[in-house]
Amino acid sequence: DQQVKQNSPSLSVQEGRISILNCDYTNSMFDYFLWYKKYPAEGPTFLISISSIKDKNEDGRFTVFLNKSAKHLSLHIVPSQPGDSAVYFCAASEGGNAGNMLTFGGGTRLMVKP
Amino acid sequence: GEEVAQTPKHLVRGEGQKAKLYCAPIKGHSYVFWYQQVLKNEFKFLISFQNENVFDETGMPKERFSAKCLPNSPCSLEIQATKLEDSAVYFCASSQLAGSYNEQFFGPGTRLTVL
Repeated sequence: DQQVKQNSPSLSVQEGRISILNCDYTNSMFDYFLWYKKYPAEGPTFLISISSIKDKNEDGRFTVFLNKSAKHLSLHIVPSQPGDSAVYFCAASEGGNAGNMLTFGGGTRLMVKP
Repeated sequence: GEEVAQTPKHLVRGEGQKAKLYCAPIKGHSYVFWYQQVLKNEFKFLISFQNENVFDETGMPKERFSAKCLPNSPCSLEIQATKLEDSAVYFCASSQLAGSYNEQFFGPGTRLTVL
């Protein structure tokens, strides 16, 4: 039973345009959400997070939106750059403790074309 | 250190052999996590530690897998009598104690190949 789903396995975007990556979850106990970026043969790198008390969090070119009623979050990258090409993982945890495990989606491969 | 370190980078074992993986968390981080990624699919949580104590082991297979985090030593994940299905990349992550919500920082992973 996948509690976190990324339904698009891949996304191709032109450099300079917006990339929108989507993530859905089923567990209503999740209250902390994170996006990680992963290059081949490396570990995931933390990008941005959002807690369930917010609906938007912005950090430079990256913005995460959370729609709790729809159990949906999205990552916007504007403007997209070729260096953003990587696999992006959405993750969620039941908060309240920094030791709580993360539940990951299956990832979306983003390709930004020059 | 400032990064999570994992050794070895690659490990090849024959079926039935033992495999031992190591992780040094970021200095000052109190939580350590182990995840398994099979065939580039999603990450499966195995176990977490708060300092040297097991915090959550709900993802650990009951047989063959064990893990430790001892003071002044790297954490370890050991697989006794490896099976073909154990072939995966094993990631270690660490996070700080402070606060209810903290991102986990990941190491580069150890690729285990069981032949």
